[in-house]
Amino acid sequence: SAVISQKPSRDICQRGTSLTIQCQVDSQVTMMFWYRQQPGQSLTLIATANQGSEATYESGFVIDKFPISRPNLTFSTLTVSNMSPEDSSIYLCSVVYTDTQYFGPGTRLTVL
Amino acid sequence: QKEVEQNSGPLSVPEGAIASLNCTYSDRGSQSFFWYRQYSGKSPELIMSIYSNGDKEDGRFTAQLNKASQYVSLLIRDSQPSDSATYLCAVPRGGGSQGNLIFGKGTKLSVKP
Repeated sequence: SAVISQKPSRDICQRGTSLTIQCQVDSQVTMMFWYRQQPGQSLTLIATANQGSEATYESGFVIDKFPISRPNLTFSTLTVSNMSPEDSSIYLCSVVYTDTQYFGPGTRLTVL
Repeated sequence: QKEVEQNSGPLSVPEGAIASLNCTYSDRGSQSFFWYRQYSGKSPELIMSIYSNGDKEDGRFTAQLNKASQYVSLLIRDSQPSDSATYLCAVPRGGGSQGNLIFGKGTKLSVKP
């Protein structure tokens, strides 16, 4: 199995600031995925992060708002920029490893 | 717009009963289907995948797929209180395998002792 860790586990931020979320996986993986789960809602894919290339964003998500880094095969960061209360959500990192998709524990973000 | 639909519940069953969770999807080209379990405050974990029409059994869990009806279900036999969770149905976007998944909103299951 793949073990995924995320930092921070939770944070409370002020409107207009930015937060960078880190994702570390214990195995090398080609693609890493960033999902969002808004309160009471299901998961929505934000973007796919490939090592050595720019991230691919889903409809409704843009690089200026959610810049992503993928410096190596075990690590990625997602930044939530210029935050508003609508960005309050759980952000989850995910990987596919040996035909199974694993999710990190999530980062619970509250924007005031 | 590809969609995955589930009844949000809550679905309440007594301990030992069969819980039946249903999911419909809009993309006829979908080839892979996944069921995730998400305990409150936790991240989703994969419990079943199914690719072919018919039934697939794994312990107390059975996934059923009917591509003609665009319908996939999850049966949990001998339900236990520890099965109480939200169950998410997911389909890969664009005919892929995993990674880029479209999730339903989930069905909350409550198993009463």
